[in-house]
Amino acid sequence: GQQVMQIPQYQHVQEGEDFTTYCNSSTTLSNIQWYKQRPGGHPVFLIQLVKSGEVKKQKRLTFQFGEAKKNSSLHITATQTTDVGTYFCAGPGTGFQKLVFGTGTRLLVSP
Amino acid sequence: NAGVTQTPKFQVLKTGQSMTLQCAQDMNHEYMSWYRQDPGMGLRLIHYSVGAGITDQGEVPNGYNVSRSTTEDFPLRLLSAAPSQTSVYFCASTLGYGTSGVEGELFFGEGSRLTVL
Repeated sequence: GQQVMQIPQYQHVQEGEDFTTYCNSSTTLSNIQWYKQRPGGHPVFLIQLVKSGEVKKQKRLTFQFGEAKKNSSLHITATQTTDVGTYFCAGPGTGFQKLVFGTGTRLLVSP
Repeated sequence: NAGVTQTPKFQVLKTGQSMTLQCAQDMNHEYMSWYRQDPGMGLRLIHYSVGAGITDQGEVPNGYNVSRSTTEDFPLRLLSAAPSQTSVYFCASTLGYGTSGVEGELFFGEGSRLTVL
């Protein structure tokens, strides 16, 4: 079945440093979504990318969808303690009516 | 704005007991789903539904049962609880899905933490 892998699994940065998480799919994706889950909380939608090579920005967050639509990345510039949490990518699964989540990248930011 | 409501928030079961996790949404979403979250394994899809009377299996359906008698409710039943079902369970719904997959934002409930002894 379809697999969505994320790297790294975990990253610890100092506040102000940049952070990037990468998402790789074994199959071509029609779209990809990103979610953030704060510790003890539930996943919250951040963004959806649809087009090949698409780049979207939300303040300090930059999201990119690969040209082949099999990978994506989330880059955070100048991290803040409020960025702490786990970031998940998600894409359509086999049969299309499913959303399959990546394994997630846990971000810890030290002040 | 209730959104997606899950109950209970916490539950402890003994092996072999059955229980139902409740999920209700007030956004008139046709698509609803259940995920379980285990450390290091992300969110795994258990079952999903694209409308009342229609359900289908996700990645890890064994040991779970669902039904969808109304648009609003999508309960998840554990038939005979096992320690391997200790997890955090999330219900999620969306308005947007189609032939290209889930195309809209998934709204999640706050989660139900289940421990099976």
